[in-house]
Amino acid sequence: QVQLVESGGGVVQPGGSLRLSCAASGFTFSSYGMHWVRQAPGKGLEWVAFIRYDGSNKYYADSVKGRFTISRDNSKNTLYLQMNSLRAEDTAVYYCAKDLQLWGSGYDAFDIWGQGTMVTVSS
Amino acid sequence: EIVLTQSPGTLSLSPGERATLSCRASQSVSSSYLAWYQQKPGQAPRLLIYGASSRATGIPDRFSGSGSGTDFTLTISRLEPEDFAVYYCQQYGSSQTFGQGTKVEIK
Repeated sequence: QVQLVESGGGVVQPGGSLRLSCAASGFTFSSYGMHWVRQAPGKGLEWVAFIRYDGSNKYYADSVKGRFTISRDNSKNTLYLQMNSLRAEDTAVYYCAKDLQLWGSGYDAFDIWGQGTMVTVSS
Repeated sequence: EIVLTQSPGTLSLSPGERATLSCRASQSVSSSYLAWYQQKPGQAPRLLIYGASSRATGIPDRFSGSGSGTDFTLTISRLEPEDFAVYYCQQYGSSQTFGQGTKVEIK
């Protein structure tokens, strides 16, 4: 079945780094744009980043621009989020999510979500 | 950035009742690029509605979306026990933003 599985979360000190992964299965990963969305404890959803199906375009929320990098390896059906210079306010569950439509440019709803991975930034 | 404001913050209703959730945008949402999601505790969001009024695959027809421009509505015609959850709207016409959510709780 169509599935996204995140991994790589954990506890990290402020200023530290972490790399999240999202393994995709059950669909043609290389044909869909992908996103990262986060949710701080008890709070709402915040879009973080997008990467086009072929990796050619990437967009970021202002809150993470210059610190986070989204990437993908279509040969491994895997999405990544490299997070550097982490802050306490980055503490959240991080979800990867798939664009609804094929070949999209990021302006789309998200029809498949992973279960999320928790990132805690604390000393 | 387009800001989405959802109302009410909490909706207290009984099973079988009709739920009407509102999502208002700070500026017009292009091409009705507006989606609705349901989220239950400890779970990922689930897509209900996209394009303001199109139901996602497998979503029951008691869920419907309407609206355009700056005002959008999600209606649940008859609440089932499994519908009590938090609902988020999202606009994807100008970058991506989410509303703050509406909690539908059992009265």
